[in-house]
Amino acid sequence: EDKVVQSPLSLVVHEGDTVTLNCSYEVTNFRSLLWYKQEKKAPTFLFMLTSSGIEKKSGRLSSILDKKELFSILNITATQTGDSAVYLCAVPETDSWGKLQFGAGTQVVVTP
Amino acid sequence: DTAVSQTPKYLVTQMGNDKSIKCEQNLGHDTMYWYKQDSKKFLKIMFSYNNKELIINETVPNRFSPKSPDKAHLNLHINSLELGDSAVYFCASSQDFFDSPSNEKLFFGSGTQLSVL
Repeated sequence: EDKVVQSPLSLVVHEGDTVTLNCSYEVTNFRSLLWYKQEKKAPTFLFMLTSSGIEKKSGRLSSILDKKELFSILNITATQTGDSAVYLCAVPETDSWGKLQFGAGTQVVVTP
Repeated sequence: DTAVSQTPKYLVTQMGNDKSIKCEQNLGHDTMYWYKQDSKKFLKIMFSYNNKELIINETVPNRFSPKSPDKAHLNLHINSLELGDSAVYFCASSQDFFDSPSNEKLFFGSGTQLSVL
């Protein structure tokens, strides 16, 4: 059965700190891994990763995939209070097109 | 110019009532979804429509009935509401059905928080 596990479940950091979020997955037929940011409302897309070792960057956020060890990391540098959110990791399910299997998310709180 | 919009944002109702949630996307996408986010924050798929055709129907009570009048709209009707139906319901869309990685990127609406009393 496909599975997505995120860690930690939550963390509190001070502005300016760097955070590293982990997502491990088990899927029979890997196609892609997606990261979303959810701030009380709609999950908003951050990254899609399909190849190992290629870092995706967007400002202070970056993400990388390791298809051999079956995990992905999302890094946020120089955190700001606006980074406070739940970060969700998802992979498309093996047996069915059209389904994303989400992890439970990591709640990040950035304090001033 | 909201991409995926759903109404209402909040819905408070009594057990046994029937309610509907509406969703519209203006992205020109062919595929739309309903996801449910429970109190533990897991997002789980309920239904998916591709060009008005039901593609995915998860193990959801038949009190839940989706309807897609056209590919830009996907509504969710819930009969005989129960306490356990309380959750946040998200509508989403993707360009097409998943036959390439680019179509696996979902755009979500802002959610409808349903509270059944």
